[in-house]
Amino acid sequence: DGGITQSPKYLFRKEGQNVTLSCEQNLNHDAMYWYRQDPGQGLRLIYYSQIVNDFQKGDIAEGYSVSREKKESFPLTVTSAQKNPTAFYLCASSITASNQPQHFGDGTRLSIL
Amino acid sequence: GDSVTQMEGPVTLSEEAFLTINCTYTATGYPSLFWYVQYPGEGLQLLLKATKADDKGSNKGFEATYRKETTSFHLEKGSVQVSDSAVYFCALSLGETGYALNFGKGTSLLVTP
Repeated sequence: DGGITQSPKYLFRKEGQNVTLSCEQNLNHDAMYWYRQDPGQGLRLIYYSQIVNDFQKGDIAEGYSVSREKKESFPLTVTSAQKNPTAFYLCASSITASNQPQHFGDGTRLSIL
Repeated sequence: GDSVTQMEGPVTLSEEAFLTINCTYTATGYPSLFWYVQYPGEGLQLLLKATKADDKGSNKGFEATYRKETTSFHLEKGSVQVSDSAVYFCALSLGETGYALNFGKGTSLLVTP
């Protein structure tokens, strides 16, 4: 079955540590996205990528970094510069950026030790 | 800027009751509109969509009509079930000129037996 796989499901970060969240899709989609979800809030866009080797900042990119070296993979690194990283992180993809809807993974919950 | 406003929850209904979750939007262009559903601990699933004025999206007994005159996309279901308990998100995309979804804050629905 085609879909989006996020791993791990739960992740813990120590102070001052960088962590990387994995997102893989086998839908052959060009566009991929990372969102952050906080309790009682909607989803906020962190980064998006319309095509391999290209990505743009979303609304809350500070303290995060991404890469898009392969079409199927869009990993998100939460750096130590992100002072409030505890949240639920969702990865999504769409056929193209202008061809919605987006398909979502099951998310990674990041907590601080 | 473009935005989506949803009614605040939580909404609590008895099984077989009628459901309405209000959603209004602000957009400079002609957005596509979506409803997503999120079950506990999971990612978002597309519930239905509408791409132009007067379109009606429908799925699993849920319906929403794209009303340009009132800039609304209210979600309705005639008879809810316990299994419909989830968080519902309204979202918009501007297609050719947009690159991601703008989400509302979500409305939590609890259906009791």
